[in-house]
Amino acid sequence: QVHLQQGGAGLLKPSDTLSLTCAVSGGSVTAHYWSWIRQPPGKGLEWIGEITHSGGTNYNPSLKSRITISVDASTNRLSLKLNSVTAADTATYYCARRWTTDTPADRFDPWGQGALVTVS
Amino acid sequence: DIQMTQSPSSLSASVGDRVTITCRASQSVYNYLNWYQQKPGKAPNLVVYAAATLQSGVPSRFSGSGSGTVFTLTISGLQDEDFATYYCQQSLSIPFTFGPGTKVEVK
Repeated sequence: QVHLQQGGAGLLKPSDTLSLTCAVSGGSVTAHYWSWIRQPPGKGLEWIGEITHSGGTNYNPSLKSRITISVDASTNRLSLKLNSVTAADTATYYCARRWTTDTPADRFDPWGQGALVTVS
Repeated sequence: DIQMTQSPSSLSASVGDRVTITCRASQSVYNYLNWYQQKPGKAPNLVVYAAATLQSGVPSRFSGSGSGTVFTLTISGLQDEDFATYYCQQSLSIPFTFGPGTKVEVK
C-alpha cells in the first residue's frame, strides 16, 4: 500500500524559493502520476500540478511560470519547487497520488500528511 | 477552468441525521466527480469517486449520486466521526478544481 511522507516545511521570506519533498513507500515513484495540492489557512484546496509516470508535467496555469515538479527514482521521492514566493503562497502543501485510468475513476489517493509553509 | 460550487457552505446536524451536500460544476463533468472528507489538521481522504463509487473502507452510510453538472453526497445516519469538511473535485480536465467545501458541524 502506497504511503507518502512529506518533508521541507518552514518559514520563508518573500522572493525565496519553496522546496518540498514527498517520500513514496510501498510503490515506485515512476509507476504513477503524482500531484501537488495546496490549501491556504482556513481556505479550500488548489491543485498545483502533476508529474506523470513518464516524467511529463502538467501545471496549473495560475502558477505555471513559477513551478517545477520532479521525481528522483533513486530515492523514490517527488519534489516541488515554487519560485519567488509571496505571502499568498502561505499554505499547507500536500502531495498525492493520482489514479489516472482514462475513466471517471480518476482521483487523488492517498495523500501525504501535509507541510505548512509560511511566507513572511 | 471548470468552476465548482457547493451548497450549503456549512450545516449543523445531529448524530443520526441524514445529511445531503450538493456540488455543481460550471460545465458538464459527466461523472468525473470525487468527494473528499477533511478533518482539522489532517489531509483530505477520498470518500467517493466517479460520482457514485464508494472508496474502499468508507462506511456504506455514505453515498454519492449525480452526473453532468449536479452532484450530491449523502450521509445516512450521521456519526460522530463524520463531522468534518467535505470537498468535491472534478477530474475531467486540467486544471483539476475543487469546490469551496461544506463544513458539517454538531448541532
